[in-house]
Amino acid sequence: DTGVSQDPRHKITKRGQNVTFRCDPISEHNRLYWYRQTLGQGPEFLTYFQNEAQLEKSRLLSDRFSAERPKGSFSTLEIQRTEQGDSAMYLCASSLGVAGETQYFGPGTRLLVL
Amino acid sequence: AQSVTQPDIHITVSEGASLELRCNYSYGATPYLFWYVQSPGQGLQLLLKYFSGDTLVQGIKGFEAEFKRSQSSFNLRKPSVHWSDAAEYFCAVGDSWGGSYIPTFGRGTSLIVHP
Repeated sequence: DTGVSQDPRHKITKRGQNVTFRCDPISEHNRLYWYRQTLGQGPEFLTYFQNEAQLEKSRLLSDRFSAERPKGSFSTLEIQRTEQGDSAMYLCASSLGVAGETQYFGPGTRLLVL
Repeated sequence: AQSVTQPDIHITVSEGASLELRCNYSYGATPYLFWYVQSPGQGLQLLLKYFSGDTLVQGIKGFEAEFKRSQSSFNLRKPSVHWSDAAEYFCAVGDSWGGSYIPTFGRGTSLIVHP
């Protein structure tokens, strides 16, 4: 069990560019979650997957955001036409997928949009 | 909508002193409650959770929390703080999303430990 990993750990981009983040969950976990955390705040839920199916999306996930988990293993989160307000830490978590399960978080990808 | 309030942005304690971090929640039914810790460069780690049963919950690293329905509170405690406990602490209430319980987090309390 190597834990949840995220890549890259840091990303600096210019406004208007597209960025993509990757999350590799714990191998036997079938649920995968994305959160966004801005400075001085707690994480906010973005979306989650049960295997390859995207089950829920929060209102925070605008049309510029898209997430995929094509084979039910790793997931990608893409932000198109980045804005300065997208600067945040993007966290990924995974869980076994039973009621009340513990989510295990990765270290996050910190995005800075200039 | 559910919400969590952590009234203290920063807490400073001396090493060896006791600790209590406050958390108040807003939720209509019996809540699912969590405490997480986030250290610099580390992912969020679950300290403990309450779903039902005994209202005093034991967690990892010597932490405990008590669910008090009458006060809508779920305060985190530790009898003796170690320097390594310095971190950001988040209280969260579980929100139902399509069959999973997604934590809605408070803004966090930063714990500073003096030697």
